[in-house]
Amino acid sequence: GIQVEQSPPDLILQEGANSTLRCNFSDSVNNLQWFHQNPWGQLINLFYIPSGTKQNGRLSATTVATERYSLLYISSSQTTDSGVYFCAVERQSNYQLIWGAGTKLIIKP
Amino acid sequence: DVKVTQSSRYLVKRTGEKVFLECVQDMDHENMFWYRQDPGLGLRLIYFSYDVKMKEKGDIPEGYSVSREKKERFSLILESASTNQTSMYLCASSSPIYNSPLHFGNGTRLTVT
Repeated sequence: GIQVEQSPPDLILQEGANSTLRCNFSDSVNNLQWFHQNPWGQLINLFYIPSGTKQNGRLSATTVATERYSLLYISSSQTTDSGVYFCAVERQSNYQLIWGAGTKLIIKP
Repeated sequence: DVKVTQSSRYLVKRTGEKVFLECVQDMDHENMFWYRQDPGLGLRLIYFSYDVKMKEKGDIPEGYSVSREKKERFSLILESASTNQTSMYLCASSSPIYNSPLHFGNGTRLTVT
């Protein structure tokens, strides 16, 4: 089946720094989503981005479907950005997402 | 905003008990999902449903069943709880419309003793 790999597994940054998180997938996909799980466990959808670039405030994401990767950019990090960032892909239109292992981000004040 | 509500944030049950985890969404979504999340294993799909009274097995359905009698409610049932079912359980919903993201509840942390 399709493999989803995220890097780096852990990232520790000072407040104000920028970061890039990567998601590689092993086959073509219908759908790719980025999520943030805060330290209390709540998972929030950040982007639905099977291809192209989207921006939402300090966050942006780019998916290059032909090269099978997606990048999540966080600019001017804040402590509230801490948590785990997941990417998840859908291989076929069967509603089932395949999840990466996540990148754990810690933003220090 | 989409709201997905899970009935309990924390639950402690004994081995062998029948456990019900309830999930309600308020956006008239057709699709609903139950995941469990364990350290080192990520999110794993237990069951999902794309319509009332419809259900499909996910990756790890053993030991679980589900019920979807109404569109807004999706219940996960542990017929006879075991210690290896101690986990964080996450409910989610989505619309089948293209470009529709997945929305999660706050999660239920279940401990089986």
